[in-house]
Amino acid sequence: GAGVSQSPSNKVTEKGKDVELRCDPISGHTALYWYRQSLGQGLEFLIYFQGNSAPDKSGLPSDRFSAERTGGSVSTLTIQRTQQEDSAVYLCASSLRTGTVGYNEQFFGPGTRLTVL
Amino acid sequence: DAKTTQPTSMDCAEGRAANLPCNHSTISGNEYVYWYRQIHSQGPQYIIHGLKNNETNEMASLIITEDRKSSTLILPHATLRDTAVYYCIVSSSGAGSYQLTFGKGTKLSVIP
Repeated sequence: GAGVSQSPSNKVTEKGKDVELRCDPISGHTALYWYRQSLGQGLEFLIYFQGNSAPDKSGLPSDRFSAERTGGSVSTLTIQRTQQEDSAVYLCASSLRTGTVGYNEQFFGPGTRLTVL
Repeated sequence: DAKTTQPTSMDCAEGRAANLPCNHSTISGNEYVYWYRQIHSQGPQYIIHGLKNNETNEMASLIITEDRKSSTLILPHATLRDTAVYYCIVSSSGAGSYQLTFGKGTKLSVIP
């Protein structure tokens, strides 16, 4: 497809369970980002991947959160031992280039709505 | 990155121009102004960006004041599909500028 895709679109889980969220970026985009958006709030940066460089994990809220990007394309965000406060929409974005000339158009996926009961 | 201030909400009549203001009084010389919007239940969508000159594309125009302390996003002929939350973001160029810090934005309601 032409855009960023994410799966699943909705995920309901029980407190304490692990979840995996998937992101397929736009082909050829070297940069990939994860954000989360709680109800009525702005976006919160979580993690950033750029090519083969070590990811910037500075936004991850706890060590229960981790992400990987295999082969420089698909990314998986994993939340272990989910808590109710993890309930949010998790958004993935990709961009063709980043920061070199101040141009930072990020293309967002539709998000995964996570509900932890 | 510099902080931005936007009105919480605005209304606009369908077919009229929507002018969305943004204050960024602490913007520094290498920081760009970006606008994104988020339609309900969708991911954010890039609209336009600029440094100091006014910019126009197929979606909107961006007017940046000469001192760069504020800007206005203009949707020339608003339609019902333009109802969304509009985010004004200031972000620097160079390495490490990849994070976009989204505030609360302006909820624009286009009214028939």
